[in-house]
Amino acid sequence: DQQVKQNSPSLSVQEGRISILNCDYTNSMFDYFLWYKKYPAEGPTFLISISSIKDKNEDGRFTVFLNKSAKHLSLHIVPSQPGDSAVYFCAASGPGKLIFGQGTELSVKP
Amino acid sequence: SQTIHQWPATLVQPVGSPLSLECTVEGTSNPNLYWYRQAAGRGLQLLFYSVGIGQISSEVPQNLSASRPQDRQFILSSKKLLLSDSGFYLCAWNLPGGRETQYFGPGTRLLVL
Repeated sequence: DQQVKQNSPSLSVQEGRISILNCDYTNSMFDYFLWYKKYPAEGPTFLISISSIKDKNEDGRFTVFLNKSAKHLSLHIVPSQPGDSAVYFCAASGPGKLIFGQGTELSVKP
Repeated sequence: SQTIHQWPATLVQPVGSPLSLECTVEGTSNPNLYWYRQAAGRGLQLLFYSVGIGQISSEVPQNLSASRPQDRQFILSSKKLLLSDSGFYLCAWNLPGGRETQYFGPGTRLLVL
């Protein structure tokens, strides 16, 4: 049973536009969420996180939104840049570990 | 500052051969340590995690084992590799408590032929 789901395996966006990456979870006990960015043949790098006591967290071009009632979070990248092209993983903090989604491959076209 | 190292970066091994991948963390004490695998086109699968020396938790039954001989050293091993062991292996650490952000190493690409 997959507790964290990223239903879109890929997303293509034009440079300068907004990228919206989505993530759903099933366990209402999750209270801390993270987004990671991963380039091919490299380890994931931490991007941004959000605690369940908030519904929004912003860091530069990156904003994460949390909708607890819908068990849904999203990552907004504005404006999108070609260097943002990568695989993005959302993760939820479970007991002693992170539970990752399957990832969404973002392609930002010049 | 903390850094995490993995080696080797790339490994090509024949089926049935042994495996040893090493991960070390610098700049912190008593970290939680994790081994993940990313198969081609798939997500991150947690294989093992450790909260201290000699303490290993296995997430999935498999052909691999893990050991933590020192506080900041985590080793992934196999006695006989299978074709299905091919993938990208990632080590990660975070602070004790387990809820903190995990930080990943550069990864090891393993190809079993």
